[in-house]
Amino acid sequence: DADVTQTPRNRITKTGKRIMLECSQTKGHDRMYWYRQDPGLGLRLIYYSFDVKDINKGEISDGYSVSRQAQAKFSLSLESAIPNQTALYFCATQGRSTDTQYFGPGTRLTVL
Amino acid sequence: GDSVTQMEGPVTLSEEAFLTINCTYTATGYPSLFWYVQYPGEGLQLLLKATKADDKGSNKGFEATYRKETTSFHLEKGSVQVSDSAVYFCALSDLTNAGKSTFGDGTTLTVKP
Repeated sequence: DADVTQTPRNRITKTGKRIMLECSQTKGHDRMYWYRQDPGLGLRLIYYSFDVKDINKGEISDGYSVSRQAQAKFSLSLESAIPNQTALYFCATQGRSTDTQYFGPGTRLTVL
Repeated sequence: GDSVTQMEGPVTLSEEAFLTINCTYTATGYPSLFWYVQYPGEGLQLLLKATKADDKGSNKGFEATYRKETTSFHLEKGSVQVSDSAVYFCALSDLTNAGKSTFGDGTTLTVKP
């Protein structure tokens, strides 16, 4: 089984809809991250969490919110989706005493 | 703040050609440096890393050396294969930035038979 899983893997939605992307991990890591990937722009950090009670904004948090329900779960919500949120979204984890990140397989989101 | 600049792509090579993907960085502290690889339809995975100056990371025939004097971490492979076709990301992790990672924009490599 994969260590970091994301659901759904693909989602098509309409402008104005609320969307939740979910991430689960079995690595026992404290740190979790949400990124979006756009062609030519690399990875941009949306939100990150260093433990269950810790939530921090990344460089592009506007229009997004997150919830850290447990050490193993970190959800990303788009309260009212807009077309320029069409992208590939990745969740990643990192151990407290390590510097390597472990990525999920990604969610491809299309907002029409 | 921290930043990573890597060679723009896409890069197209023939099988068995030599590969270099350039990467330079700016950081306030003493970062660890990474190359991640993203195969089609998958998430990023660690390819190699180096944690201090002059360290060489290596994996699957790929190598990169941490050069503090030139703030560089160029990725090289002597003979690429079709299976190396992927997107390659240079990244750094800096303890002075709470251990968060900063990624380059990615370089797409296509290897033709």
